Amino acid sequence: EPEVTQTPSHQVTQMGQEVILRCVPISNHLYFYWYRQILGQKVEFLVSFYNNEISEKSEIFDDQFSVERPDGSNFTLKIRSTKLEDSAMYFCASRIIYEQYFGPGTRLTVT
Amino acid sequence: DAKTTQPPSMDCAEGRAANLPCNHSTISGNEYVYWYRQIHSQGPQYIIHGLKNNETNEMASLIITEDRKSSTLILPHATLRDTAVYYCIVRGDPNDYKLSFGAGTTVTVRA
Repeated sequence: EPEVTQTPSHQVTQMGQEVILRCVPISNHLYFYWYRQILGQKVEFLVSFYNNEISEKSEIFDDQFSVERPDGSNFTLKIRSTKLEDSAMYFCASRIIYEQYFGPGTRLTVT
Repeated sequence: DAKTTQPPSMDCAEGRAANLPCNHSTISGNEYVYWYRQIHSQGPQYIIHGLKNNETNEMASLIITEDRKSSTLILPHATLRDTAVYYCIVRGDPNDYKLSFGAGTTVTVRA
């Protein structure tokens, strides 16, 4: 069964550094998403992406964040200058019609 | 999007049916009811969705009341692996399927 994959599974970085989280969505899906979950809190929507552009973003998704689909398979989330409060699980998701399929997540730890 | 209300937690005996209620009294006519679950810190997993009619798939059944103000997710034979946080989400915008997760119901299946 096709699935969304994410790399790395765990990323440790120092405050102020740039990180890129990578996702490979399901191949025939057209809509892509990033969510995050701070430990012990709710899953929060960050951004949705369709037809090579951002379709919606949340207040969390400020100028420090960007997304890209550099080729036909990868979907990336970049955080330009990480802060301690960016420490969280980051989930990528993709969909074709109704249901979103989530990846296993990348745990980002900012020290 | 309509707001949903779920009990914070519930226990279920292994092998028995688990009935998870969700209240969505402000749901509008074109909004769907979705159920997802999150096992430990894994990515959320799609379970089922419906508009008006009851739905069943290999994982669960979804019963929606006639007035659509509430629904019940039924796990017919709960196993220990069904222990998870279950989220009831109402979505309607056909152009945007971002998911707004609440706190969900923590379901613990006991042997």
